[in-house]
Amino acid sequence: QSALTQPASVSGSPGQSITISCTGTSSDVGGYKYVSWYQQHPGKAPKLLIYDVSNRPSGVSNRFSGSKSDNTASLTISGLQAEDEADYYCSSYRGSSTLGVFGTGTKVTVL
Amino acid sequence: EVQLVESGGGLVQPGGSLRLSCAASGYTFTNDWMSWVRQAPGKGLEWVANIKPDGSEKYYVDSVKGRFTISRDNAENSLYLQMNSLRADDTAVYYCVRGGTTASYWGQGTLVTVSS
Repeated sequence: QSALTQPASVSGSPGQSITISCTGTSSDVGGYKYVSWYQQHPGKAPKLLIYDVSNRPSGVSNRFSGSKSDNTASLTISGLQAEDEADYYCSSYRGSSTLGVFGTGTKVTVL
Repeated sequence: EVQLVESGGGLVQPGGSLRLSCAASGYTFTNDWMSWVRQAPGKGLEWVANIKPDGSEKYYVDSVKGRFTISRDNAENSLYLQMNSLRADDTAVYYCVRGGTTASYWGQGTLVTVSS
């Protein structure tokens, strides 16, 4: 049950766009359209940002977008803001009769 | 407004037991899978267990199989996690989560510390 691979850290200046990758295998990310992304500020519970690869829940800013190609999913944050500084995690479905798997997490720093 | 409120965390000795509870409100509890997700101090997130709406299917991460039991009471809109034979590496914040594949809502978490 290995975690999906994310870069440990990504940084950008206010207003810029950054992309966080999430690499798995054909048994998880590549095999299903059930990738989700979460934002976690220090000391807080995670919050759902993206579900089913590219869908945003009501209330989530359209500055957040998701995509997937083969075994790698991506989260793009456009118009980076100070409040986006947080940890970000991806997660993927791995088939029936088993739990999903989270990514290793990425710390986003706004310079 | 969807609310998930966990309780039952605390300090327990290695080999001990603890039962976590989660009270759900603001939505139709019986429609959704529910899960427990944990986060060890300074570490990432980990799916621990999930349960089908009617309780007929349950899945666990390998490290807790045979030690943890997830259950739900749909009449009480409540989710539970019975944790036995606790080990130091079970120390974490445990989150109650709505959903089995996508965690659409999260509770505030309850801290479980396993230490002598």
